Amino acid sequence: DTAVSQTPKYLVTQMGNDKSIKCEQNLGHDTMYWYKQDSKKFLKIMFSYNNKELIINETVPNRFSPKSPDKAHLNLHINSLELGDSAVYFCASSPPLSNSPLHFGNGTRLTVT
Amino acid sequence: SQQGEEDPQALSIQEGENATMNCSYKTSINNLQWYRQNSGRGLVHLILIRSNEREKHSGRLRVTLDTSKKSSSLLITASRAADTASYFCATDSQGSGNTGKLIFGQGTTLQVKP
Repeated sequence: DTAVSQTPKYLVTQMGNDKSIKCEQNLGHDTMYWYKQDSKKFLKIMFSYNNKELIINETVPNRFSPKSPDKAHLNLHINSLELGDSAVYFCASSPPLSNSPLHFGNGTRLTVT
Repeated sequence: SQQGEEDPQALSIQEGENATMNCSYKTSINNLQWYRQNSGRGLVHLILIRSNEREKHSGRLRVTLDTSKKSSSLLITASRAADTASYFCATDSQGSGNTGKLIFGQGTTLQVKP
């Protein structure tokens, strides 16, 4: 069974559109994350939620809005997509301890044309 | 910024050889982790070393940590073609509280030729 699953795997859309990426984990973890990986493989944290509560928001534009309906789900909605939003977005989860490894999904490759 | 830097950016070796990757970071940490990323996939956790540890082993992996130099190395012994992937170090920060926030380096791309 997939531990951290994200959908869709690929997303191609035009500038100005609004899109969502969904993430679900079945590991029973309390903490979930969104990371963005650019074309140079640089991975940067965007958001973190602990038990549905936002705990990290890393100066991400307001066009990005995470939503956590329950602790097993963390979705990412992006408004007014821009060319620079093209990247691979990874969802991850972990137990609520700073020494805990992250469990990553397989990523969503977003291409904005 | 506590962004880690990895060295080299790319490494190509023959199967059976050892591969060494290095990571440097900027601020005090609680722990350092190494992850592997296969092409088109998510990152997979390999090993975690705490700030009070100097060396750790897991199978063919050996990780060292030198907190005085703020650096770590990952050694893969007797490499296999299946080890071909990108390898990332990630650090937390002693100042980040219990948020679980990790800062990743830019990775080393390892190619192991059969």
